[in-house]
Amino acid sequence: GESVGLHLPTLSVQEGDNSIINCAYSNSASDYFIWYKQESGKGPQFIIDIRSNMDKRQGQRVTVLLNKTVKHLSLQIAATQPGDSAVYFCAEPQGAQKLVFGQGTRLTINP
Amino acid sequence: NAGVTQTPKFRVLKTGQSMTLLCAQDMNHEYMYWYRQDPGMGLRLIHYSVGEGTTAKGEVPDGYNVSRLKKQNFLLGLESAAPSQTSVYFCASSYDRYSNQPQHFGDGTRLSIL
Repeated sequence: GESVGLHLPTLSVQEGDNSIINCAYSNSASDYFIWYKQESGKGPQFIIDIRSNMDKRQGQRVTVLLNKTVKHLSLQIAATQPGDSAVYFCAEPQGAQKLVFGQGTRLTINP
Repeated sequence: NAGVTQTPKFRVLKTGQSMTLLCAQDMNHEYMYWYRQDPGMGLRLIHYSVGEGTTAKGEVPDGYNVSRLKKQNFLLGLESAAPSQTSVYFCASSYDRYSNQPQHFGDGTRLSIL
């Protein structure tokens, strides 16, 4: 069936560096993607979303890039801070209501 | 503005016991969802509701029941708890599907079945 998934389960970066978290999807008809951040002991927190009519969307210190040709999206975090340590999920709606999540990438910030 | 609130936050049950998890949202959202999160499995949809009085099965509905008697509340029930239901349960809500609004999550209920 259709799926969405992340490339790497873990990512370590130095504080102040930029982080890039990748995600691939299989359904070429997908029209909406969401990135969530989940800190330990908390629920997933909405970060940013992007619709398929866009290639790029920027938020505060975060940018999501969508490459529909290769069915790939990425989350870029600028000037990574200790508070960015979390698990990051990409997700997409499938069918009428179902939201499918990738397995998640754990981002660790090294001082 | 509380968003999505889940009660209880933690619970330990014995096999065969029953319990109900409560989810409440104050955003006037139409859609509500129950997920479970297990290590290495990501989030999986148990049941969902597209409005007051309606419920539907997700991808892992067996062993669970739900009710949506009021728009703001979505209850998840375990009639006879099993160790395989040890998990972290998350409730979420969204305005609707068609405007492509993201789902907003509560902070979870950690459930252990002995």
